[in-house]
Amino acid sequence: DAGVIQSPRHEVTEMGQEVTLRCKPISGHNSLFWYRQTMMRGLELLIYFNNNVPIDDSGMPEDRFSAKMPNASFSTLKIQPSEPRDSAVYFCASRLTGDQPQHFGDGTRLSIL
Amino acid sequence: SQQGEEDPQALSIQEGENATMNCSYKTSINNLQWYRQNSGRGLVHLILIRSNEREKHSGRLRVTLDTSKKSSSLLITASRAADTASYFCATDNTGNQFYFGTGTSLTVIP
Repeated sequence: DAGVIQSPRHEVTEMGQEVTLRCKPISGHNSLFWYRQTMMRGLELLIYFNNNVPIDDSGMPEDRFSAKMPNASFSTLKIQPSEPRDSAVYFCASRLTGDQPQHFGDGTRLSIL
Repeated sequence: SQQGEEDPQALSIQEGENATMNCSYKTSINNLQWYRQNSGRGLVHLILIRSNEREKHSGRLRVTLDTSKKSSSLLITASRAADTASYFCATDNTGNQFYFGTGTSLTVIP
């Protein structure tokens, strides 16, 4: 069974550019999470979806960040315009139900120059 | 911050010794989970303990939960060099919110 798949694994771009991160959750999982990890702030929950519906986006830093889940097998996290302080590793995770563990992808390492 | 706090931040032990990490949290929870992260990789789930459980075992792992003190501990027995990683606790709280702790960096010296 394939795990959570994220793409790209690495992204380097100049500030001001639009960045799109992609995630394919494990088939059959009902919840999807986007996290950001930095040395300074640790692992932060940005947004999570239940059955493709955004439930809690209170962790989204500002309007430059947006996330969508058009169907059960795909989600995107978009940053527009990007800034150097957005540099981090972004993780996507999915889980079957509320009482189950989350399964993480290997992350996207984002560098904004 | 509503994140949990982990203690210690870093731990270095000899192979074969036991490693204990602690996690404190702030809100009522449904369950608490421990994860492991190897450098450059995503987090891997280790063990989940529900709010009505006090202790749980999985192989060389032992987790305890004290809801009155809002704390949990992870014990790794007979550590191996391959256990070197960062370990995080995560709380799934009753408000349907999910928070990760700050992590403990464990180094097991062969």
